[in-house]
Amino acid sequence: DIQMTQSPSSLSASVGDRVTITCRASQSIKTYLSWYQQKPGKAPKLLIYTVSTLQSGVPSRFSGSGSATDFTLTISSLQPEDFATYYCQQSYITPFTFGPGTKVDF
Amino acid sequence: QVQLQESGPGLVKPSQTLSLTCSVSGGSISGGAYYWSWIRQHPGKGLEWIGYVYYSGSTDSNPSLKSRITISADTSKNEFSLRLSSVTAADTAVYYCTRGSQPGWLGVWGQGTLVTVSS
Repeated sequence: DIQMTQSPSSLSASVGDRVTITCRASQSIKTYLSWYQQKPGKAPKLLIYTVSTLQSGVPSRFSGSGSATDFTLTISSLQPEDFATYYCQQSYITPFTFGPGTKVDF
Repeated sequence: QVQLQESGPGLVKPSQTLSLTCSVSGGSISGGAYYWSWIRQHPGKGLEWIGYVYYSGSTDSNPSLKSRITISADTSKNEFSLRLSSVTAADTAVYYCTRGSQPGWLGVWGQGTLVTVSS
């Protein structure tokens, strides 16, 4: 299975901050990388797929970059509704696997 | 817009079979080239891909669960299902059904349903 890691596991930030989360795959996954946001008690929400394509309705302050094994999710200016846990996921090879998550809080 | 809703028992005894159904509204399960997937999340933990059924009926699933899993679709009821046999406490989780236009793209999610395995 492809192992996904994320760093940091948690971070504290303030409204308006630029936030960067890193995701690494144990082997090349080309551009088969998605990002999800999950708030407590809610289902995850797809933010970005194929590394950098924003899902419809996702604010442009979210962006993604990277290729092969190293990827980044950036929130350009953190908003109150962005405090959540973020997961990366590879869809290159089954079983599709997720990173352990990065919790963004105050 | 399409909406998904999981249903099934919230409590299952060890060694029994967990059965969940995902009802699809606002769209047809056979009306497009979509992948209908199951994901689970152990309490306080991360996400685990269980498997999918394609609109054509083909399936794929996580090898760690493959021997115990059946995923199927019922186009007449516009729903798809998960059956997980021989459950243990390790199968206690919130189970989500999802839809995606590619195998691993999980663009639409149900609200999730907690299944507890306990005697």
